[in-house]
Amino acid sequence: DTAVSQTPKYLVTQMGNDKSIKCEQNLGHDTMYWYKQDSKKFLKIMFSYNNKELIINETVPNRFSPKSPDKAHLNLHINSLELGDSAVYFCASSQDQTSGSGTQYFGPGTRLLVL
Amino acid sequence: AQKITQTQPGMFVQEKEAVTLDCTYDTSDPSYGLFWYKQPSSGEMIFLIYQGSYDQQNATEGRYSLNFQKARKSANLVISASQLGDSAMYFCAMDYGQNFVFGPGTRLSVLP
Repeated sequence: DTAVSQTPKYLVTQMGNDKSIKCEQNLGHDTMYWYKQDSKKFLKIMFSYNNKELIINETVPNRFSPKSPDKAHLNLHINSLELGDSAVYFCASSQDQTSGSGTQYFGPGTRLLVL
Repeated sequence: AQKITQTQPGMFVQEKEAVTLDCTYDTSDPSYGLFWYKQPSSGEMIFLIYQGSYDQQNATEGRYSLNFQKARKSANLVISASQLGDSAMYFCAMDYGQNFVFGPGTRLSVLP
């Protein structure tokens, strides 16, 4: 059973398009996250979300928006895609957002290429 | 500002030898957690080991151990008896407050 799953695994699209990446976790965790990993492998958190609070990394453009239909899902919607959005996007989840106890489990990643 | 430093962009180790991957961190929060993740060439992120800031003993998980030196703010990963399958990127990470930050990673290559 896959703990954290993402679809699609690969996404190739044109500049200016709007796309969504889906994430689901079956771990019963309270908190979910989205990360961007650039070509230099640097991982940067974009959002963290539980049923109470959305925390947005202020450097993330507002073209990116997380949408959570329920506790097990956190989808990432991207408007007006740009070339610089090309990266690998990881979804993750943890039981607890409390500092020092939140081991995160990652999905397989979505490789986005914007042409 | 980056809170995690991994000073070794790349490391080589001979198969069956031990290797230490360095990680230093900076936080003023008294409660925090330190993590190591492995990312093989296939791309998935694999959780390896966790150390809480209040844990008295260094964490160990099989061949992985975390050398936690709180006063020095370091959390080095030690891999004993390296295997070819250990070749990967290794990321040190920390959660503090409501933030979670990764270091830049160290690419480990295990030589036969």
